Amino acid sequence: AQKITQTQPGMFVQEKEAVTLDCTYDTSDQSYGLFWYKQPSSGEMIFLIYQGSYDEQNATEGRYSLNFQKARKSANLVISASQLGDSAMYFCAMRERTQGGSEKLVFGKGTKLTVNP
Amino acid sequence: DAGITQSPRHKVTETGTPVTLRCHQTENHRYMYWYRQDPGHGLRLIHYSYGVKDTDKGEVSDGYSVSRSKTEDFLLTLESATSSQTSVYFCAITRGLAVYNEQFFGPGTRLTVL
Repeated sequence: AQKITQTQPGMFVQEKEAVTLDCTYDTSDQSYGLFWYKQPSSGEMIFLIYQGSYDEQNATEGRYSLNFQKARKSANLVISASQLGDSAMYFCAMRERTQGGSEKLVFGKGTKLTVNP
Repeated sequence: DAGITQSPRHKVTETGTPVTLRCHQTENHRYMYWYRQDPGHGLRLIHYSYGVKDTDKGEVSDGYSVSRSKTEDFLLTLESATSSQTSVYFCAITRGLAVYNEQFFGPGTRLTVL
């Protein structure tokens, strides 16, 4: 079963408008972390924002905010005032513990966001 | 910038040949990871390391081996490359095990197996 589900393969938004990218997750751990990464066409993976399972407030980083609904197991990324440079693939990821005591990230399949002028 | 470099950045090879990808970090981080990225799959963990000579398998480890003889280098080896291993490979590091520590990624290596 998928642990991270991103149901939107592609999204379109007009420049200057807000957009929400969906992410749902599945875990039985009480302590976990949720991340969003941006991958522009150049290919690098850029960390955007983090939400911890015990954080009481939604995380924000500039124009990025994370709408964390723990009971629904969702961690949607909200981008306000979209810019053309926001066009990219966006990946939701969850940190989970490995058998070796380390931690790894499990990624969703991504959402391709296109910002139209 | 987490001081992560990958080499080579691009490689074309033939089926059956051995290939080694190198990940190098300059900040002495303990935890290092290799992922592959394929269309429709996102990033999937191949192997990871939690210290020198300490490695473990990820979810797609078949056909791959790794080695870490010193902190700064994490090598990924395809003993006999197959066309199904054509992919983009990312190395990543974690600065610590605290739950809020994000993973930082290298620039990626694009591997094509003909």
